[in-house]
Parts: sequence; structure tokens; C-alpha cells
Amino acid sequence: EVQLVQSGAEVKKPGESLKISCKGSGYSFTSYWIGWVRQMPGKGLEWMGIIYPGDSDTRYSPSFQGQVTISADKSISTAYLQWSSLKASDTAMYYCARSCSGGSCHYFDYWGQGTLVTVSS
Amino acid sequence: QSVLTQPPSVSGAPGQRVTISCTGSSSNIGAGYDVHWYQQLPGTAPKLLIYGNSNRPSGVPDRFSGSKSGTSASLAITGLQAEDEADYYCQSYDSSSYVFGTGTKVTVL
Repeated sequence: EVQLVQSGAEVKKPGESLKISCKGSGYSFTSYWIGWVRQMPGKGLEWMGIIYPGDSDTRYSPSFQGQVTISADKSISTAYLQWSSLKASDTAMYYCARSCSGGSCHYFDYWGQGTLVTVSS
Repeated sequence: QSVLTQPPSVSGAPGQRVTISCTGSSSNIGAGYDVHWYQQLPGTAPKLLIYGNSNRPSGVPDRFSGSKSGTSASLAITGLQAEDEADYYCQSYDSSSYVFGTGTKVTVL
């Protein structure tokens, strides 16, 4: 069974750093892309970026380039999303999701349960 | 800012048919990229509902169907049920980016 299990909820102060995780299981972690999607309170879905753990090829949405860093450790089948200096506007639910590779396969077939990040002084 | 536009809300009585539109442009849907649909039940993660314009993953009821034409796509729900009350998002590809629609809330009257 394919599963993406994300790390737990976080409460942070503005200016602090944070790294959240997404562990894949039940499939070949290095053969699929892992994307990150933001959902601010009461709002829609926003694509942040994506990584191919097989070779660490990483792409970012122009809206999030330079604001976050996406990485992966294929030895433990885990992808990460990190911030160096959080802002109150980073308060949101963050989802990781799997995307197949190749051709026109640009969709997310499995999703993590989400990690709620709250940034407040 | 979403590049795919959806109606904010649609509603229907149980058993009725509702449709959700997803309007894009020549750089995404009109460029030939496929459209995919997700269902997000309250308080849960999104779930893939339709992929490749009209394909249903295993386990998705055939009450859900998708289509694409030109720069737009549509999701239809026939035989609307109370459990279909959720937010629905379309998604495509544009300029090397995954793009989502603005989202539509479906209410079952």
C-alpha cells in the first residue's frame, strides 16, 4: 500500500527555522516525484515545488522560489520542506503528494495527511 | 494567483447532476496539457478523483466523469449524494509548473 506520512503539527515564532518531512512507503521512492502543496486557512491549493528523489532534480514555483527549500534523503525515503526564517504568512497546512514521472503524467495520485504549521509571536 | 478559474460554488439536490467548469488558457489546458480533478472532504487531504481528463482511479465511483475541450474542462457528478459535499479542484500544467484551479464548493441541498 502506497503511503506518505508527514511529520506532526508545528507552532513556531516569526524568524525561526523549520523543516517538515514526508516519508514514503509501499513503492519505489526514487522512481516518483514528490511535490509540496500549500493550503492557507480557508483557501485553495497552491503548488510550491517538486523533487525527484532519484537524482534530487528540484523545481520550484516562481511564487515560492527562494522562500523555501525542498530536499530529499533517498536512503530513508523521506522528502523535506524547510524554511530559514518563518513569517506569520507561512501559517498554513502543507501537503506532500506523489507524482509519476515521464510524459504527461503531471498529477498527484497519493497525498500525505498534511502538516499544520502555525507561526505566531 | 490561480491560472485556472472555477465557479466558487455549485449546489444540487440529492440525485441531481451538477457540473463544475475549469477555464484555462492557451498556455495550459489549450496547450494540450491534461486536466486532473481532486476532491477534498472537510478536514482531510485532497484525493485524486479524475486523471488524464477523463480517467477514474480505482475505487472512484462512475458517478464522477471528466471531459476537456479547447481551453476548458468539466467535472460532472451524476446522482449527487450527501457524501459528495466537498471542495473540488482542477489541476493542469503550465510553463513547467503544476497549476491548480481556484476551487469549487459543492453543496448538497
